[in-house]
Amino acid sequence: GAGVSQSPRYKVTKRGQDVALRCDPISGHVSLYWYRQALGQGPEFLTYFNYEAQQDKSGLPNDRFSAERPEGSISTLTIQRTEQRDSAMYRCASSLVGQGANRYGYTFGSGTRLTVV
Amino acid sequence: TQLLEQSPQFLSIQEGENLTVYCNSSSVFSSLQWYRQEPGEGPVLLVTVVTGGEVKKLKRLTFQFGDARKDSSLHITAAQPGDTGLYLCAGAWDRGSTLGRLYFGRGTQLTVWP
Repeated sequence: GAGVSQSPRYKVTKRGQDVALRCDPISGHVSLYWYRQALGQGPEFLTYFNYEAQQDKSGLPNDRFSAERPEGSISTLTIQRTEQRDSAMYRCASSLVGQGANRYGYTFGSGTRLTVV
Repeated sequence: TQLLEQSPQFLSIQEGENLTVYCNSSSVFSSLQWYRQEPGEGPVLLVTVVTGGEVKKLKRLTFQFGDARKDSSLHITAAQPGDTGLYLCAGAWDRGSTLGRLYFGRGTQLTVWP
């Protein structure tokens, strides 16, 4: 697609429920990143993929968080047994692979605002 | 611990004024990027600097990468209300397991009043 698409745009869920956040990257971008961003602050790294391989998941807060990208395109970030502290803006970004990201940057999606009540 | 420290955190100025935003680290980066983010949207890349001492200009915006590649600055001349937004710096390394990963600062929230 023309840009990075994330869905849903807003998600309100009850504490203890599981949620799945979807990201559709720019066509041809093989690297896909998940970040979490608090209001008025910079994005905080969660995990990233090159193609379908998860390269780094060191930023995932705990084992309730997982991500997959089974066919190297669309990715899903899943949060199990959600807690109120999980409430945040979750952003997906895509880029040219590896060093390309360092030169040409990321293209971010508009994010999913998750609210856990 | 924040790898990149940005200052000031907030900046509120009148239209026409000049300003400088700073991004500092104790680490040496292969490259550094600046993004601007408007409310409700994702960050948008403004520039990438890769060479120590490099200066890049984008209309009224001037970006500089420090000689040691540990810091960067963004200078805006004659600020306009349209410059309002969250300015983020992000550093990256060209090798190793973190290749492709960006480390973001907390950002500088700039408000330009007409």
